[in-house]
Amino acid sequence: AQKITQTQPGMFVQEKEAVTLDCTYDTSDPSYGLFWYKQPSSGEMIFLIYQGSYDQQNATEGRYSLNFQKARKSANLVISASQLGDSAMYFCAMRVKGAQKLVFGQGTRLTINP
Amino acid sequence: NAGVTQTPKFRVLKTGQSMTLLCAQDMNHEYMYWYRQDPGMGLRLIHYSVGEGTTAKGEVPDGYNVSRLKKQNFLLGLESAAPSQTSVYFCASSPDYYEQYFGPGTRLTVT
Repeated sequence: AQKITQTQPGMFVQEKEAVTLDCTYDTSDPSYGLFWYKQPSSGEMIFLIYQGSYDQQNATEGRYSLNFQKARKSANLVISASQLGDSAMYFCAMRVKGAQKLVFGQGTRLTINP
Repeated sequence: NAGVTQTPKFRVLKTGQSMTLLCAQDMNHEYMYWYRQDPGMGLRLIHYSVGEGTTAKGEVPDGYNVSRLKKQNFLLGLESAAPSQTSVYFCASSPDYYEQYFGPGTRLTVT
């Protein structure tokens, strides 16, 4: 069975600082994808970044990067130069190849202070 | 291009009533999904479809039924609503193995 663990229920960061949101995963399948989604207070789920299990380099999308450490089974999201608009819930998710569902973690609520 | 839309956005039901949630996507995606999100939790998969005319059970399918008569639509039905089905329901679609595109959600309260 697949499992995602996000151990930080809440984080508070000063504007313009970098922030790392932790995510560890558990699967015995060698082929999988890791995803991060942002959920602002308005409720929609916004896709941020994707990392495949066979990707050699860490994924980056603008201010978002994914620190992928396969041996440790971790896929931490790094947000550089945080902005007030980054305040939201952040979910880590995993999808095993061949399976349809995304398995989500419980989320981390990020608050950016001015 | 509207993406993924959900109807309605909000609904209040009494225990035992029935309703249908509609999800529509205009991206020609093969795969569609229904998730529920409970307070303090991530999303859990209810049912999914890998193409027109197909449906399959997800992680928490009990109390729900689905249909995919047209490729662009995925319906979620509650035959006899229970307070435990109070949740936010998200529909998603996907063209392949990669990211899923989510709708705005439907907030359902069952009293």
